[in-house]
Amino acid sequence: QVQLVQSGSELKKPGASVKVSCKASGYTLTTYPMNWVRQVPGQGLEWMGWINTKAGNPTYAQGFTGRFVFSLDTSVNTAYLQISSLKADDTAVYYCTRGAYYFDFWGQGTLVTVSS
Amino acid sequence: DIQMTQSPSTLSASVGDRVTITCRASQSISSSLAWYQQKPGNAPKLLIYKASSLESGVPSRFSGSGSGTEFTLTISSLQPEDFATYYCQQYNRYSWTFGQGTKVEIK
Repeated sequence: QVQLVQSGSELKKPGASVKVSCKASGYTLTTYPMNWVRQVPGQGLEWMGWINTKAGNPTYAQGFTGRFVFSLDTSVNTAYLQISSLKADDTAVYYCTRGAYYFDFWGQGTLVTVSS
Repeated sequence: DIQMTQSPSTLSASVGDRVTITCRASQSISSSLAWYQQKPGNAPKLLIYKASSLESGVPSRFSGSGSGTEFTLTISSLQPEDFATYYCQQYNRYSWTFGQGTKVEIK
């Protein structure tokens, strides 16, 4: 069965970087685009962008350019989200989710907390 | 970007009630709309895609309708496990956007 399993919660200091992994199982990563969605605690869902898993090229939504990087390692069927120069307002749950238009499978979410 | 506006933001209902949530798009999105359910501490779950197509495994009490700019999600008879937050999402024009959510609470 299809599963997306994300790495565990992270506690980081402002200015640090974090890399969240999303390991796909039950299907080959390159057969579906992978998206990233942010959810600030107590708030709604924000689409951050997607990565073309065949070509490897990312597309970032407005507000998620510069410090956010989507990448892949197809040899281990895993997608990654890296955030650099972390700020307190990056504190959120980050989800990976599969799909070209709508999102049928989701990771369990990774809580990234940025605090000094 | 296309803006998605859901109403109401919060809805109080009882088990067995018929519940309707509305999602309006700032411009026409044809039928490029999905609905998700999210329970606290869990990832969202896809319920409906293409405005009215029921995702496999989702109970038939959930239905979606609409096209263009106005869409509805209906739960025909609310069950205890349906108390959750519901989000619409458009996928007509990049970039994809979500509504702000509708929380369905116990009355």
